[in-house]
Formats: sequence, structure tokens, C-alpha cells
Amino acid sequence: KAGVTQTPRYLIKTRGQQVTLSCSPISGHRSVSWYQQTPGQGLQFLFEYFSETQRNKGNFPGRFSGRQFSNSRSEMNVSTLELGDSALYLCASSFITGASGANVLTFGAGSRLTVL
Amino acid sequence: QKEVEQNSGPLSVPEGAIASLNCTYSDRGSQSFFWYRQYSGKSPELIMFIYSNGDKEDGRFTAQLNKASQYVSLLIRDSQPSDSATYLCAARTGGGADGLTFGKGTHLIIQP
Repeated sequence: KAGVTQTPRYLIKTRGQQVTLSCSPISGHRSVSWYQQTPGQGLQFLFEYFSETQRNKGNFPGRFSGRQFSNSRSEMNVSTLELGDSALYLCASSFITGASGANVLTFGAGSRLTVL
Repeated sequence: QKEVEQNSGPLSVPEGAIASLNCTYSDRGSQSFFWYRQYSGKSPELIMFIYSNGDKEDGRFTAQLNKASQYVSLLIRDSQPSDSATYLCAARTGGGADGLTFGKGTHLIIQP
């Protein structure tokens, strides 16, 4: 069973540019979440999508956006890149999407973004 | 502000001993708790989750939850050098749509 696939794995951008990252969840998983990981702040929640709808959002500026397609694949976009956006962006998918708190996330390998 | 606190370490444990990792959380509404392991340069992988007070065992791993004290721990028995990694504690307040709040992780080193 294929895992969570993220592309690209590495990318370098300059300030002011925008970037789009892609995530293909595990087959059958309909929920996709995005997290940002930096050495200083650790792992921080960006947003969660289910059935093409954003159900929850973390405390990030509007420059960070995402979407989910009908096949559950998801993309996130960061516009007007800043140096501080350099991070590992992790996508996670999950199968249990109801009220159960035991919704277990499986992470992809991540997309490492460097902003110069 | 939801916070999850962990000692960053490094925590050094001899091979074969018990490694004890601890975590506290600030939001009393937190319902479920997760331990992830992250090797350097890799993504986090789930070790265990727990949502009821008490202990939960899975092989060499035992998760412990005390909601009254807002405390979660992970015990690793018979520690192996391959257990050397950063261990991330995470909490979720609500249902499946809620994001996880992660601690910054404890760096564990198992000394051969």
C-alpha cells in the first residue's frame, strides 16, 4: 500500500515568489492535513481538508492556503514568500474522520522549502 | 493558547535500560494524545496513541496518561540503539478535524 506522497521533495525559492506543494494521500484516506516544521517552532498545524472542504485552520497568515481535489489529493500554496517560510512542510493523511479523537495521522516524507 | 511541553534533552539511556519520556499539556479539553518518533532527516512516524487514563502497552512501548495532572509519558523498555531519535508528543482537543498540537520533541540517545 503506497504511503503519503509529497512533491517536490526539495525546492529553493527567492523572497516574494510563490510556491505550490502537492500531496497524494494513502488510498482510501479522505482527510489531509498540512504541518510546517522548523527548528525553532517545531511542528505547527496549517490546515485540514476533508471532501474538498477546509475544516480547520491553524494560526498562519493568509499567504498560506490550500485546497483538496475530488480524488483527495491536496495542494498548499504559499504566496509572497518570506525568509521565515523556510521549513519542512509535511502532509499527513488519515482514514478516521469523525468525532473520534483517535484520528491517526500518517505523514509523508515532506517538502523542504528554502527561501533565499 | 494550547501548549505541549517536552524536555528537549538530549536524554541519554544505556542500551537495555528503560527510557522514560515525559510531556505536559495546557489544554484541559485535550482528548487524545500521540507519540511520534522522528529520525533525523525523516518524517514523524506514529508509535502509539492514548485517550483513556492509565497505561497502554504495545510491545516494548507503554504510554501513560494522567488527565488530572495533564501529563503523558512514554516508556521504552529494553532500549535499543535504533530507538535513538526525537520523540514528539502531540495532543488533540476535539474531533478528527482538529489539528494536533505538538511538543518540540525530546532527543533520545541510546548508548551501546
